Amino acid sequence: AQTVTQSQPEMSVQEAETVTLSCTYDTSESDYYLFWYKQPPSRQMILVIRQEAYKQQNATENRFSVNFQKAAKSFSLKISDSQLGDAAMYFCAWGAQKLVFGQGTRLTINP
Amino acid sequence: DTGVSQDPRHKITKRGQNVTFRCDPISEHNRLYWYRQTLGQGPEFLTYFQNEAQLEKSRLLSDRFSAERPKGSFSTLEIQRTEQGDSAMYLCASISGNGLGEQFFGPGTRLTVL
Repeated sequence: AQTVTQSQPEMSVQEAETVTLSCTYDTSESDYYLFWYKQPPSRQMILVIRQEAYKQQNATENRFSVNFQKAAKSFSLKISDSQLGDAAMYFCAWGAQKLVFGQGTRLTINP
Repeated sequence: DTGVSQDPRHKITKRGQNVTFRCDPISEHNRLYWYRQTLGQGPEFLTYFQNEAQLEKSRLLSDRFSAERPKGSFSTLEIQRTEQGDSAMYLCASISGNGLGEQFFGPGTRLTVL
């Protein structure tokens, strides 16, 4: 069975600084995606960034980038130039036919 | 708004009552998923449909739970004889194609069982 582990229940960062959220996963499948979703308080889940497992190049979306280490089954999210609007729960997810989520990391941005 | 919608957004019920939730996916999406999220946890997969066919059900989906997608468009999730442990956020998501890629989530239905 697939599992996703986020070892940091909470993280905080100063506005404009950089923060990295960790995620490890376990799977025996070869064709899958990895995702970071953001869930602001009382708001719906939205996609931050995704990575196809067959691609070696790390995905980047503006201030968000990932460090995908397939052999180590590691998928971390780096947020550069943190903004107050980045405050949310962040979920790492493994996906093939369905999504398997980690426990989440609550990110606080300090002004 | 052409996103995923869910109704109701909040439901409070007494233990033992039946409840039904509705999800309207993005119109061109053939796959529809249901997840359950308890407080402070990540969502857990419950079941998914490709068009009207229910292709997989989680062990979390006890016999008190039933989901349908009769015409391959909207879906309903019914919980019979609710228990306090059913209190959670029920999320719906949809995607087109073979299910690989970004799932688009609705706002969820928050169920409170008293």
